[in-house]
Amino acid sequence: QIQLVQSGPELKKPGESLKISCKASGYTFTDYAMQWVKQAPGKGLQYMGWINTQTGKPTYADDFKERFVFSLETSASTAYLQINNLKNEDTATYFCASGALDYWGQGVMVTVSS
Amino acid sequence: DVVMTQTPPSLSVAIGQSVSISCKSSQSLVYSDGKTYLHWLLQSPGQSPKLLIYQVSNLGSGVPDRFSGTGSQKDFTLKISRVEAEDLGVYYCVQATHFPLTFGSGTKLEIK
Repeated sequence: QIQLVQSGPELKKPGESLKISCKASGYTFTDYAMQWVKQAPGKGLQYMGWINTQTGKPTYADDFKERFVFSLETSASTAYLQINNLKNEDTATYFCASGALDYWGQGVMVTVSS
Repeated sequence: DVVMTQTPPSLSVAIGQSVSISCKSSQSLVYSDGKTYLHWLLQSPGQSPKLLIYQVSNLGSGVPDRFSGTGSQKDFTLKISRVEAEDLGVYYCVQATHFPLTFGSGTKLEIK
C-alpha cells in the first residue's frame, strides 16, 4: 500500500537549520509530484509548494521562497524539506503529500525555541 | 491567491443525522482542461489529513458513500449522510486549479 513516512520531531533554536525527510513506498516515486503543507499549532493548513519528482524542480508559494528548500533523493524515493535560519514562527507540523494530495505523511512537529 | 470561504466553522450533530458544509471560492475553479480541481479533506483528531473527495464529486480510496460532493464554478458543498462517530474532525476544502493551492479555514465536526 502507498505510504509516506516522515522523519521524527525536531526541537531547534532560532537561527539553526533542519532537514525533514519524507520516504515514499508502494508506488513509483517519480509518477507523482510531492507537495508540502504547513500547519501551525491549532491552525489550519497552509500550502508551501511542490517539487517535480521527475525533474527535481521546486516551486514555492510566496511565503516560502526565502528560507525553504525542497529536494529529492530519487534513488531512495525520498523528498526533503530544509528550513534555514529558523524563526519562532516556523513552529508547526509539516506534512508531505503525494500527487493531488492523495496520500499524506504523518507530519513532523517542529518546535523553534530559544 | 484564490480565497476559499468555508462555512460553518463548526457543527455539532447527532449520530445518524446529515450535515452539509459549504465552500465558496473567489474565482472559478474550472481549469483550462475543463476539470474542476476542488477537493475535500478530513483531518481526524491527532491525524494527518485524508483525501475524502477529489474533483468535486469523486470519492477517495476507501471513502464510504455516505460522503458526497457537489458544486461547480465557485460554489461547492460536502454532504455527510448518516453521520457516524468516526466522522468527527476538521473538514477542509482545497482548490488545486490555481497556484498556489489554497485551503478553506476548516469546519470542525463534533458529535453530540
